[in-house]
Amino acid sequence: EAQVTQNPRYLITVTGKKLTVTCSQNMNHEYMSWYRQDPGLGLRQIYYSMNVEVTDKGDVPEGYKVSRKEKRNFPLILESPSPNQTSLYFCASSRQRGGVHEQYFGPGTRLTVT
Amino acid sequence: KNQVEQSPQSLIILEGKNCTLQCNYTVSPFSNLRWYKQDTGRGPVSLTIMTFSENTKSNGRYTATLDADTKQSSLHITASQLSDSASYICVVFEGGSQGNLIFGKGTKLSVKP
Repeated sequence: EAQVTQNPRYLITVTGKKLTVTCSQNMNHEYMSWYRQDPGLGLRQIYYSMNVEVTDKGDVPEGYKVSRKEKRNFPLILESPSPNQTSLYFCASSRQRGGVHEQYFGPGTRLTVT
Repeated sequence: KNQVEQSPQSLIILEGKNCTLQCNYTVSPFSNLRWYKQDTGRGPVSLTIMTFSENTKSNGRYTATLDADTKQSSLHITASQLSDSASYICVVFEGGSQGNLIFGKGTKLSVKP
């Protein structure tokens, strides 16, 4: 089954404790991205990757890092989480960035930073 | 500035009724427009994708329209069901080599029995 998976689905952590949210897709998609979703603000892009070893900042990259060492994986790293990073995070992938290719979203990771 | 505005913010309807959600955009250049359905706590799922040349597209009880001249789109839901309760997000894909996805903030639809 074609899918995007994220782990963990729920995470409660403390300020400053490094964490990684994993994202994996089994569709051989080139394009992957991370979003955060906050009430009243909708989905905002954090980082994206157009292919292996190619990453770029989205609209709200501060406080986040990503890596794309393999095509299927695109982890999101919070080196020193802060309470304002409490949010619902979604990973997404698509065949390429342009055109009308459908974007598939993961199930989401709810992060709480205390 | 490229923007996508959705209305209403929220909507409550009775099961079996029809409803229409609106999306206005100022994105240029335009590549395509997408409607997503997002159940609470889950990732968005694509309903329709429409390019510049398409002015209507259906997916079961969901029908999307696009007027590229006025930069407006609508999503019409026919004979609503309780399972239609969700947020509906309009997303415009910017054209060009650096195209971005511009997200609306969504319309939260509640279908009551």
